Amino acid sequence: EIVLTQSPGTLSLSPGERATLSCRASQSVSSTYLAWYQQKPGQAPRLLIYAASSRATGIPDRFSGSGSGTDFTLTISRLEPEDFAVYYCQQYGSSPMYSFGQGTKLEIK
Amino acid sequence: QVQLVQSGAEVKKPGSSVKVSCKASGGIFSSYTISWVRQAPGQGLEWMGRIIPIVGIENYAQKFQGRVTITADKSTSTAYMELSSLGSEDTAVYYCAREISHYMDVWGKGTTVIVSS
Repeated sequence: EIVLTQSPGTLSLSPGERATLSCRASQSVSSTYLAWYQQKPGQAPRLLIYAASSRATGIPDRFSGSGSGTDFTLTISRLEPEDFAVYYCQQYGSSPMYSFGQGTKLEIK
Repeated sequence: QVQLVQSGAEVKKPGSSVKVSCKASGGIFSSYTISWVRQAPGQGLEWMGRIIPIVGIENYAQKFQGRVTITADKSTSTAYMELSSLGSEDTAVYYCAREISHYMDVWGKGTTVIVSS
């Protein structure tokens, strides 16, 4: 079973700052199978990044993904007020077929 | 565009079952894969299983094997998730989501299931 560990658990930043969120896998993950989601309170998750670095439809270019193997990063270049939310990484693999990280909460400083 | 509309909130007794529906509009339902993901209060996301309606294949997370059944009715473009032997730990929001190439690009708004005596 592949376990995804996200860090930090909580990130406190101000609008305009750069955010760097980490997702580390317990075993190597194909970049094709790594995605990032954003979730705001009371809402369903929203796909941001797929295949480690491809932005989903309608996602602003301040969001970018990178990484390979066991280390992946979501970067938000300049935080907007609407970016404060919880972010999850997700991998596709085997048993379970999909797993998610525990999430990083991005809060306003 | 594709939309997934889920059934309403449920309150269930321990030991009972719940069946949540997810109706798709837009696109070609039988070509989708539909996954179910749950989120307990204040917790993260947990994948439960999926169905590929066009071939009728289901896959389940080992944790839920034997307790969850995912089905699809192609005539109504609706997927279902039934969870049995409910306990308080099953209190959660249950989401359906469309899978594309191993990620989930369209999500329903979620169905709250509360298990309480």
